[in-house]
Amino acid sequence: DAKTTQPNSMESNEEEPVHLPCNHSTISGTDYIHWYRQLPSQGPEYVIHGLTSNVNNRMASLAIAEDRKSSTLILHRATLRDAAVYYCIGAGGSSYKLIFGSGTRLLVRP
Amino acid sequence: DTGVSQDPRHKITKRGQNVTFRCDPISEHNRLYWYRQTLGQGPEFLTYFQNEAQLEKSRLLSDRFSAERPKGSFSTLEIQRTEQGDSAMYLCASRTNREGGYTFGSGTRLTVV
Repeated sequence: DAKTTQPNSMESNEEEPVHLPCNHSTISGTDYIHWYRQLPSQGPEYVIHGLTSNVNNRMASLAIAEDRKSSTLILHRATLRDAAVYYCIGAGGSSYKLIFGSGTRLLVRP
Repeated sequence: DTGVSQDPRHKITKRGQNVTFRCDPISEHNRLYWYRQTLGQGPEFLTYFQNEAQLEKSRLLSDRFSAERPKGSFSTLEIQRTEQGDSAMYLCASRTNREGGYTFGSGTRLTVV
């Protein structure tokens, strides 16, 4: 199972971009990099995922390093609703199960 | 698409009682996962179904835990002889065959008193 390393917490100002880093040096070549976020008392919410190329969707962008040992989740304009715990996960294998770490708690200041 | 539904949302039970939780995945999702989450921790994988077949179980899933997915639709997670250490949020998630994202339910919060 690919282990990921994230900072415990980060802070951002509202309407500013946020770059959430993740190291995953043990990820295998076929593991996808997933990002989820979780608000208190809710289940995790899918944000974005990718394999090798940078990915964009309506929620965020995912920048994957060329060596795939790290990635960065980019929230282009943070809002107060983006305050959550963000998890970076490597997923692959036959079960494709997600192994969650402790994540990064993002605080957004108004 | 109504998302992944879990029932009940909250359950309080006395130690030693049995409890059963239900998960209704998104209808076209053939893969279903159960996770457990304690306060301040990330979710921990418990078990995984592809259609009706239970293909993987974590060592966290002791003999008191059993999960089923009859007919490959909804799933149940039963805990027998509950212990205080079973108090947690139990999350269900589903996905399709493609390497796409998971959809999680809102979870069932179990409190064992």
